[in-house]
Amino acid sequence: AQTVTQSQPEMSVQEAETVTLSCTYDTSESDYYLFWYKQPPSRQMILVIRQEAYKQQNATENRFSVNFQKAAKSFSLKISDSQLGDAAMYFCAYWGHGSGNTGKLIFGQGTTLQVKP
Amino acid sequence: EPEVTQTPSHQVTQMGQEVILRCVPISNHLYFYWYRQILGQKVEFLVSFYNNEISEKSEIFDDQFSVERPDGSNFTLKIRSTKLEDSAMYFCASSEEKFEAFFGQGTRLTVV
Repeated sequence: AQTVTQSQPEMSVQEAETVTLSCTYDTSESDYYLFWYKQPPSRQMILVIRQEAYKQQNATENRFSVNFQKAAKSFSLKISDSQLGDAAMYFCAYWGHGSGNTGKLIFGQGTTLQVKP
Repeated sequence: EPEVTQTPSHQVTQMGQEVILRCVPISNHLYFYWYRQILGQKVEFLVSFYNNEISEKSEIFDDQFSVERPDGSNFTLKIRSTKLEDSAMYFCASSEEKFEAFFGQGTRLTVV
């Protein structure tokens, strides 16, 4: 079974600085997607960024980028120029083609990010 | 921008009562899901729904739970005879492609 692990329960960063959130996963599948979701205090789940495993190039979305290391099964999220609005819980999630028609996402435990002014 | 809408935002119910959580997925999406998040814990998959039937359910999704797409736009989660441990945030999600789910804002269920 696939698993997703986020080993940092909490992280903090100074406003305008850069922070990296870690995620590792375990799978025997070769074709899958990885995601980072943001959950602010409102508790809505917001998709931040997506990485397709067959793409070697790391995904970027404005100030958010990932470091995808397929062999190491590592998928970290880098937030540059951190803003107060980035404060939230961040979840790493996995979807594999072995899920068939289901589309089930497997989530990590989450990392709470605090941004200090 | 299209979004997934859930109602109510907060529901308080007495133990043993039935609740129905409602969701309106994004209109052209084909795949629908329910997830649960107990406070402070990770998000857990409950059930996926495609082509008017359940395509996968987790061990959490026992006979107490059921899902329905009654009218082609709504997607509901029914919990019969609620228990205290059912208190959680329930998220509906939908996707056009299997791998990219868009989540609603959640319904906080409190069982007292």
